[in-house]
Amino acid sequence: GENVEQHPSTLSVQEGDSAVIKCTYSDSASNYFPWYKQELGKRPQLIIDIRSNVGEKKDQRIAVTLNKTAKHFSLHITETQPEDSAVYFCAASFTGNQFYFGTGTSLTVIP
Amino acid sequence: GAVVSQHPSRVICKSGTSVKIECRSLDFQATTMFWYRQFPKKSLMLMATSNEGSKATYEQGVEKDKFLINHASLTLSTLTVTSAHPEDSSFYICSASSLQPGRSPYEQYFGPGTRLTVT
Repeated sequence: GENVEQHPSTLSVQEGDSAVIKCTYSDSASNYFPWYKQELGKRPQLIIDIRSNVGEKKDQRIAVTLNKTAKHFSLHITETQPEDSAVYFCAASFTGNQFYFGTGTSLTVIP
Repeated sequence: GAVVSQHPSRVICKSGTSVKIECRSLDFQATTMFWYRQFPKKSLMLMATSNEGSKATYEQGVEKDKFLINHASLTLSTLTVTSAHPEDSSFYICSASSLQPGRSPYEQYFGPGTRLTVT
């Protein structure tokens, strides 16, 4: 099955700085890579996703890049704000069948 | 929108009893539903994938006789933890995806989760 690794496990940044979270996957058949934000005790919320036919996608302060050859993808958050503090998960899927999650990154934005 | 509900939100049961968790898609037809288990400060671990009207596909290491999954309709899936033990205590989250027109078949919509405590 698919194996998704995520780094770092914890990340602290000053407000206004950028945050980068990286994930690698093992199954070259995976073609859909969502990122989720989860606040304590709540459900994961999709914040951005990318499909394998695209190398980069941006939505305001959030961007995701994908390198299919190297089988890794990254989340970039610019101009971080305290409300960005949460746990972020990457995931890999083949056409929406079965999602395999990374181990999570706890992001703290220091005001 | 795409709303998924779970019931109950919290449940405490005694060791040896069974508990059922319901996952409902409220405003769309869920072709596929997923069940996850999440330990404190840990990632979501996929337990099984179920398609309406067919048997669930369990991930390696997940006991299908212990975690019974039923997906009887396009809006309801249930997870029954049988003969629960304290080590089954966890946060269980379901999600759903849909092949309905206008919806991305790739995207999954999460329920709010169920906190199970087995005493």
